[in-house]
Amino acid sequence: SAVISQKPSRDICQRGTSLTIQCQVDSQVTMMFWYRQQPGQSLTLIATANQGSEATYESGFVIDKFPISRPNLTFSTLTVSNMSPEDSSIYLCSVEVGGGGTDTQYFGPGTRLTVL
Amino acid sequence: KQEVTQIPAALSVPEGENLVLNCSFTDSAIYNLQWFRQDPGKGLTSLLLIQSSQREQTSGRLNASLDKSSGRSTLYIAASQPGDSATYLCAVYNFNKFYFGSGTKLNVKP
Repeated sequence: SAVISQKPSRDICQRGTSLTIQCQVDSQVTMMFWYRQQPGQSLTLIATANQGSEATYESGFVIDKFPISRPNLTFSTLTVSNMSPEDSSIYLCSVEVGGGGTDTQYFGPGTRLTVL
Repeated sequence: KQEVTQIPAALSVPEGENLVLNCSFTDSAIYNLQWFRQDPGKGLTSLLLIQSSQREQTSGRLNASLDKSSGRSTLYIAASQPGDSATYLCAVYNFNKFYFGSGTKLNVKP
């Protein structure tokens, strides 16, 4: 298993500013994921972050808007840049643990972002 | 592209009732399927993981089944309690990604 913490847990930000969200895992993991969950919606994958390589972004998400760092095997950050009210969401990081068909995802508690 | 659908979108039942949540997926080439629980404003908690070679998994009052060939999974909750009220999400894993359904919001009334 894995225990994941995120900071901040919530924030209220002004339009045009940027926020960096931190994700810390209690064990070394290869793959980390960043998701967005807009109000009343399911999870949408933003990007996959592997240590030592550039993050892989999903369709509709770009590095300039959501830059990601992955400096080591236990930590990652997601920045939401030049925010607008449409960026108001819960942002979740997760890790994949296991292999051989038992790949399991564990999630952090999420960061609730409100953009005014 | 894999698509995951959950029915119903919302469900309200009296306490003590047994219930079934449904999940369907379009591509049967999955490695596993996972059921999660999400409380309002919180992250996701893993409930059950079914590997592609398995038919079902049980944990306490929860039982999840998988029929890969038909692209379906069910989550059975026995003797529901108000504390079971939450949104339940299923996710399938293939092509090195997890694909999530939109969830079923469950309300168990005392």
